[in-house]
Amino acid sequence: DAGVIQSPRHEVTEMGQEVTLRCKPISGHDYLFWYRQTMMRGLELLIYFNNNVPIDDSGMPEDRFSAKMPNASFSTLKIQPSEPRDSAVYFCASSDSLGARTDTQYFGPGTRLTVL
Amino acid sequence: GQNIDQPTEMTATEGAIVQINCTYQTSGFNGLFWYQQHAGEAPTFLSYNVLDGLEEKGRFSSFLSRSKGYSYLLLKELQMKDSASYLCAVKSGGSYIPTFGRGTSLIVHP
Repeated sequence: DAGVIQSPRHEVTEMGQEVTLRCKPISGHDYLFWYRQTMMRGLELLIYFNNNVPIDDSGMPEDRFSAKMPNASFSTLKIQPSEPRDSAVYFCASSDSLGARTDTQYFGPGTRLTVL
Repeated sequence: GQNIDQPTEMTATEGAIVQINCTYQTSGFNGLFWYQQHAGEAPTFLSYNVLDGLEEKGRFSSFLSRSKGYSYLLLKELQMKDSASYLCAVKSGGSYIPTFGRGTSLIVHP
């Protein structure tokens, strides 16, 4: 299995530009999660999907952030317009269950975003 | 809400044993995870505890006391490659989504 795939691995952009991060979950996994990691705040859940439907987006910081999952094998996280404080590592993770004894999340390699 | 506390950084010597503690305050505890994250890489699953006691897996063990809101990760026979951040994550309040602590950066030196 290829694992969770994210692209790009690194993104450097200027303030005000639109940024789109992409994720392909592990085949067969019904749950997809977007996280943001910074030194100050650690690993924070932004949003998660179940069977392509957004379930909880309470972690999305503001309206500049949006996420979609048009099908079971693809999701995007978009920031428009981007700001320097959005600089972080963004992780996508997937899981084949929730509530089971070992509902492990499998993380992608992350996208390191720098907004200048 | 939840409050998860871990030491920010620890150092240890190759071949030694180290214990990384995690304390939490939460309602409706539902399970606790430990993840390992090497610098510049993704978190990877290490262990899961939902009942009190010790779970052993090779050189790594994880302990849970639900009444004390306390867990630890025990790493034996430390190797240089164990230098990483160790994240404690807690499920609670009917949610199946774990909340992550800030992580403990472990530095193993020769």
